[in-house]
Amino acid sequence: GAGVSQSPSNKVTEKGKDVELRCDPISGHTALYWYRQSLGQGLEFLIYFQGNSAPDKSGLPSDRFSAERTGGSVSTLTIQRTQQEDSAVYLCASSPTPQETQYFGPGTRLLVL
Amino acid sequence: AQSVTQPDIHITVSEGASLELRCNYSYGATPYLFWYVQSPGQGLQLLLKYFSGDTLVQGIKGFEAEFKRSQSSFNLRKPSVHWSDAAEYFCAVGLGGGNKLTFGTGTQLKVEL
Repeated sequence: GAGVSQSPSNKVTEKGKDVELRCDPISGHTALYWYRQSLGQGLEFLIYFQGNSAPDKSGLPSDRFSAERTGGSVSTLTIQRTQQEDSAVYLCASSPTPQETQYFGPGTRLLVL
Repeated sequence: AQSVTQPDIHITVSEGASLELRCNYSYGATPYLFWYVQSPGQGLQLLLKYFSGDTLVQGIKGFEAEFKRSQSSFNLRKPSVHWSDAAEYFCAVGLGGGNKLTFGTGTQLKVEL
């Protein structure tokens, strides 16, 4: 079956612009996670959704970062007024329930110039 | 706060040799434990996981890992490494109701032919 998909695969933007990153989880998976992978910080948790609710947003680094999930499916991570330190690979994962294995998408590589 | 330590940043082994990648965690209870592999430009692929029960778990591609509670360790092993195993390996722990993952810093494996 189809895995987790993310779009775009690569995004280059200018400092100060807003970007939206999309995640399509595996069908039927209720839990969805966003992580960030950067050279300086490694792999970091950003936010977790159960259905359309986000019980844990503790990893969002600033109020420039927000995310939503609609219909218990697609999620969008939005970064406003991008900064160079936002350059990273943004990974999305989903799992059937929060206590089960997370399956990762290929990631979106974001470069802020 | 919980943490995951992978003490070896880089490891080089000859093809056909055995492999052990170390992982230690710091947490008050036994978390869920995972090993993921990441090839260049790819997302994270699950190798194996430990939730409970038998402390020796088998995974894909001939990998296994052993959970040792007394040492807070979850080391990954493979009896005979193949050139295609060259990649970066991440140990992760899952915690809490949402099972957000905390990752180690990764071990880069190089395989010499």
